[in-house]
Amino acid sequence: NAGVTQTPKFQVLKTGQSMTLQCAQDMNHEYMSWYRQDPGMGLRLIHYSVGAGITDQGEVPNGYNVSRSTTEDFPLRLLSAAPSQTSVYFCASSPRTGGEGANVLTFGAGSRLTVL
Amino acid sequence: AQSVTQLDSQVPVFEEAPVELRCNYSSSVSVYLFWYVQYPNQGLQLLLKYLSGSTLVKGINGFEAEFNKSQTSFHLRKPSVHISDTAEYFCAVSSFSGGYNKLIFGAGTRLAVHP
Repeated sequence: NAGVTQTPKFQVLKTGQSMTLQCAQDMNHEYMSWYRQDPGMGLRLIHYSVGAGITDQGEVPNGYNVSRSTTEDFPLRLLSAAPSQTSVYFCASSPRTGGEGANVLTFGAGSRLTVL
Repeated sequence: AQSVTQLDSQVPVFEEAPVELRCNYSSSVSVYLFWYVQYPNQGLQLLLKYLSGSTLVKGINGFEAEFNKSQTSFHLRKPSVHISDTAEYFCAVSSFSGGYNKLIFGAGTRLAVHP
């Protein structure tokens, strides 16, 4: 089925460890983004990309890196995990202009990360 | 800068009763407004959106929302809720710039429908 695929679904890390959350979409969407969801705070934008080779920061970028080498993939890297990064992470994508579809994000199922 | 305030963190309601989930936004430019729903242990899915035109927007599952520019509100309503509507609901605002949609979300409202 077409959509946004995130891996892993669950991950436990120790403080200081590094890891990469993977996000892939097969809808040829140009726009991809990463959000974190924390209780009482909704979803906050971490980083986003408007196409291969182009990324930018969102509301809460510190502690996270991204890259966009292909249209399909948009990995999120934690270089040195901290307990404050315990959260549920969502990847989302959308097409560019061309109509109402450009305004609708398609979300992945989420990745739950715990940092001890 | 844009922001979204969802005025209720939790809304308990009995089955078949009407419900309103409130959302206010702030923005200095024209906005697009959305409501997303998140069922337990799932990602978010779009309920409805306002881009332009009629201020009353109908979405899936019998939900509707009304855009009120003077009050900067976009409240979500359903005349009769079901147990299956139990979920978290997020209001979001974006400005469509350069062909892309960068959403800013509210903190969410947890709707609990009781029998």
